[in-house]
Amino acid sequence: GDSVTQMEGPVTLSEEAFLTINCTYTATGYPSLFWYVQYPGEGLQLLLKATKADDKGSNKGFEATYRKETTSFHLEKGSVQVSDSAVYFCALRGFQKLVFGTGTRLLVSP
Amino acid sequence: DVKVTQSSRYLVKRTGEKVFLECVQDMDHENMFWYRQDPGLGLRLIYFSYDVKMKEKGDIPEGYSVSREKKERFSLILESASTNQTSMYLCASSSTTRSVEQYFGPGTRLTVT
Repeated sequence: GDSVTQMEGPVTLSEEAFLTINCTYTATGYPSLFWYVQYPGEGLQLLLKATKADDKGSNKGFEATYRKETTSFHLEKGSVQVSDSAVYFCALRGFQKLVFGTGTRLLVSP
Repeated sequence: DVKVTQSSRYLVKRTGEKVFLECVQDMDHENMFWYRQDPGLGLRLIYFSYDVKMKEKGDIPEGYSVSREKKERFSLILESASTNQTSMYLCASSSTTRSVEQYFGPGTRLTVT
């Protein structure tokens, strides 16, 4: 079945450091891919998405490129801020539902 | 803006109690979902619904039921709460036609003692 694998956290960075959170997937066909973010005490909100191979999703300085050949959708940001501290979930659109990874906690210190 | 609201942010119930978690969305979305979120397990789908009075089992439906009498409201029911149902419960909604994006509520942290 469809599945998403994310790197385990927590990821601990200093402010202005470069961020990569790895995400790979297993799916039939070419599903839409998503990154969701969950700030402390809140529900999930969509950060960015890509609907076909080679698409790049971007939002708030975050980017991810849909790589069909490596079945990956890694999240990157050039310079993280303390306010980016949150849990990040990679997800794919499977049959009738979203399939989520286990989440990666990001901690950014000043 | 899409708004998904959940009836409680925090809830404490005793083992064996019947528990109702309510979710309401204001965007006329056809689809609604209930997930539970546990550390190290991510989000797991409990039930979903594509229309009023319709429901489909997700990945972990055991011990839960749902009700969708109106399009905007989707209720999750724990018939007899158990301690292993202590978790964060998240409701989401999406449109069938406009977007694949799911919009989430703030979550209900349920503790069963």
